[in-house]
Amino acid sequence: GQNIDQPTEMTATEGAIVQINCTYQTSGFNGLFWYQQHAGEAPTFLSYNVLDGLEEKGRFSSFLSRSKGYSYLLLKELQMKDSASYLCATMDSNYQLIWGAGTKLIIKP
Amino acid sequence: IAGITQAPTSQILAAGRRMTLRCTQDMRHNAMYWYRQDLGLGLRLIHYSNTAGTTGKGEVPDGYSVSRANTDDFPLTLASAVPSQTSVYFCASSDGQFTDTQYFGPGTRLTVL
Repeated sequence: GQNIDQPTEMTATEGAIVQINCTYQTSGFNGLFWYQQHAGEAPTFLSYNVLDGLEEKGRFSSFLSRSKGYSYLLLKELQMKDSASYLCATMDSNYQLIWGAGTKLIIKP
Repeated sequence: IAGITQAPTSQILAAGRRMTLRCTQDMRHNAMYWYRQDLGLGLRLIHYSNTAGTTGKGEVPDGYSVSRANTDDFPLTLASAVPSQTSVYFCASSDGQFTDTQYFGPGTRLTVL
């Protein structure tokens, strides 16, 4: 079957670094997306990985290992506004997005 | 307008009633999608449309129908609402097909009593 696992909730301190992991099992693979979703709002795109390795974009980086079915989102220099849910989604062989339930990140001062 | 709009923002509906959720985008995107988001679950695809005039079923299509008469509009209809359809509904669009970034509307919070 198809499955995406990510932690339900994480807590981190303002100014610190946090890594949100995502493991997946899908029928075929056409890339992995990370989205950010603030409470009561729509998801917004953060990153897309289709090749192994690290993609850096400002304070956010995303890593992919296709052989391990594993990705992580790394957030540096955490700010209070980074408090949100982070959604991992993979694209399967039918080009449909399979979404994880999301990781709620709580930032404390 | 810029982006995707959805209407209504929220709605309380009696079971058995018919309801249409509206979605309009002004980005001239070819593909559009309807998702539902429930607490503790990931977004689940209800229906999609790769281009105007075509639609397809997603993971949870039962009880829902869609149409795509033109590029901009993609309404979602619940023919006879049931309490299990209580959810937050998001419309999204992308430039091409599934490999492109999806842009989401603000969502419709629907409660079926």
